Parts: sequence; C-alpha cells; structure tokens
Amino acid sequence: LAKTTQPISMDSYEGQEVNITCSHNNIATNDYITWYQQFPSQGPRFIIQGYKTKVTNEVASLFIPADRKSSTLSLPRVSLSDTAVYYCLGVAVDTDKLIFGTGTRLQVFP
Amino acid sequence: DAGVIQSPRHEVTEMGQEVTLRCKPISGHNSLFWYRQTMMRGLELLIYFNNNVPIDDSGMPEDRFSAKMPNASFSTLKIQPSEPRDSAVYFCASNLAGDTQYFGPGTRLTVL
Repeated sequence: LAKTTQPISMDSYEGQEVNITCSHNNIATNDYITWYQQFPSQGPRFIIQGYKTKVTNEVASLFIPADRKSSTLSLPRVSLSDTAVYYCLGVAVDTDKLIFGTGTRLQVFP
Repeated sequence: DAGVIQSPRHEVTEMGQEVTLRCKPISGHNSLFWYRQTMMRGLELLIYFNNNVPIDDSGMPEDRFSAKMPNASFSTLKIQPSEPRDSAVYFCASNLAGDTQYFGPGTRLTVL
C-alpha cells in the first residue's frame, strides 16, 4: 500500500534555508511529484512539481532522487510569510490514485 | 480569472439534513476534483471528473455522498443524510489536461 509521509512540523528562522522531505514508497514512475502550500482557511496552492533530479522556480527547488522514493522541497531564505503547511502529492502506483502527504507545518520565527 | 469558486464558504446543519456544496471550476479547465480535509485524515480525494464524466469515485466514503457535473462550469457534492462525522473542509480543484491543480477556498461543513 502506497504511503506518503512527511515530518509533522519544522521550525526555522527568517533567512534560513528549509528542506522538507516527503517519503513516498510507491509513487508511480510516470507521474509528477507536486508540492503545495496551504495557509489557514485557504485551499492548497501550487509551489513546484518535478519528475526527476532537480527542478527550480522562483520560489523553491525540488530534489527527486533516481529511485523516486522521496522528494525534498527546498525553500531558500524563508520569511515569516512562509509559515504554512506544506504537502507533497503523487500518484500511487498500486491504486493509481492521487494521494497527498501527511503535511508539514513550517513555523518561521523572526 | 476569478479562480475556482466554491459556495457556501461555511455551512452548519443538523444531522440528517441534506447538504449541497457547489463548485465553479476555472474556465477552460477540463478536470474537476473534490477533496475532503480533516485533522485526522488530512486531504483525501473523493472523486474527480474529466470532461464532465466521473472517472474515479472510489474515494467517496459511502452512498450518502454523491457528485454531479452537469456541465463544464458547475459541479455539486451532495451529502444525504448528513452525519456529524462528515464535518470537514471540502475543497474543489480544477486543472487542464493533468497540469497543476488549482484549489478553491473550500467549504467548511459542520454537522451538529
């Protein structure tokens, strides 16, 4: 059974780099891995997605090893406004269903 | 574009009542998703439509839940009869051809 797990919470200070890892033991090999950000009382918002190796956009980087059993979201120089819950999303190879990770609550301190 | 629109934003009802949640996807998107979010179970995919046709409803918890998409610009999720354990935030999302999903603001449902 596909399982997608993330650390429950992480703390950081402004200006630091934050890396959040999602472990997904059975993600389909031909689908993207996507990360979302969610603020209280809002829907999840797309951050970045990738298929393999490394992807970078204006807000984050995503690292996916060759075995695709994990992915790491990297937020450079976080600010207070990055305080949110971060979710990974993938397609489970056994059920072919979209599954969200358990979510990581990031708290950024001044 | 106004993004994905959901209504109502908040719904409080009594056990046994019928609840209807509404969603208007982003214009031009051809897939629509309904999710439920709770503290215990996180975000769960309930059902998704492609070109107005239900593709996978295996996430729908039980027969009390039903969803329709009569046209490309409107979908409903209905719970009849509602139960307290249905209390959650229900999100609708849409995308185009497997691209990024865009989520609505959600409907917070409380069943007393």
